[in-house]
Amino acid sequence: DVKVTQSSRYLVKRTGEKVFLECVQDMDHENMFWYRQDPGLGLRLIYFSYDVKMKEKGDIPEGYSVSREKKERFSLILESASTNQTSMYLCASIPSGGGETQYFGPGTRLLVL
Amino acid sequence: AQSVAQPEDQVNVAEGNPLTVKCTYSVSGNPYLFWYVQYPNRGLQFLLKYITGDNLVKGSYGFEAEFNKSQTSFHLKKPSALVSDSALYFCAVRDGSGGYQKVTFGTGTKLQVIP
Repeated sequence: DVKVTQSSRYLVKRTGEKVFLECVQDMDHENMFWYRQDPGLGLRLIYFSYDVKMKEKGDIPEGYSVSREKKERFSLILESASTNQTSMYLCASIPSGGGETQYFGPGTRLLVL
Repeated sequence: AQSVAQPEDQVNVAEGNPLTVKCTYSVSGNPYLFWYVQYPNRGLQFLLKYITGDNLVKGSYGFEAEFNKSQTSFHLKKPSALVSDSALYFCAVRDGSGGYQKVTFGTGTKLQVIP
């Protein structure tokens, strides 16, 4: 079974803090994604990566950056957290050329005070 | 640009009755269509997908969906609802033409199955 894990289920941070969200997948998938989920807005893509050290902006990259130094790990960074970044963050992965199904992690619920 | 519409924020159905969760899409190329389910405080789980072939797609937990190209719809259905089907359901689409392109998700429909 594919497993996608996220470093924290719940996080509380203060405005202005730098926040790191970590995602690890154990199935050697090339493509990894970060989404945020908000009520009434569904899932919105923040960034994705199709290979190590490669990244592409999604629909809402402002205020976020990402890092992919190893194939299995994709980190989302909030450079200076703001209250409007309070949300559920979901990581996902899929293999290249091996199917279309996205495998999701359990999510990190972030509260920025 | 591609888009997905889930016109109902919530669907209520009695246990044992058939259920339908609606989805319409817009994409310029070949549509790849997906349904995912999310239980409380969990990530999304894949239910089924349409890539090509038969318009009726069968998936996990007894769910199925029908691809209708003329109506640009991909409604999720189940003949007999269970209380355990209560969850948040997301429809998603991506353009299957050319190289990899990102997936666009709908806003989600909350399904409530009433005992």
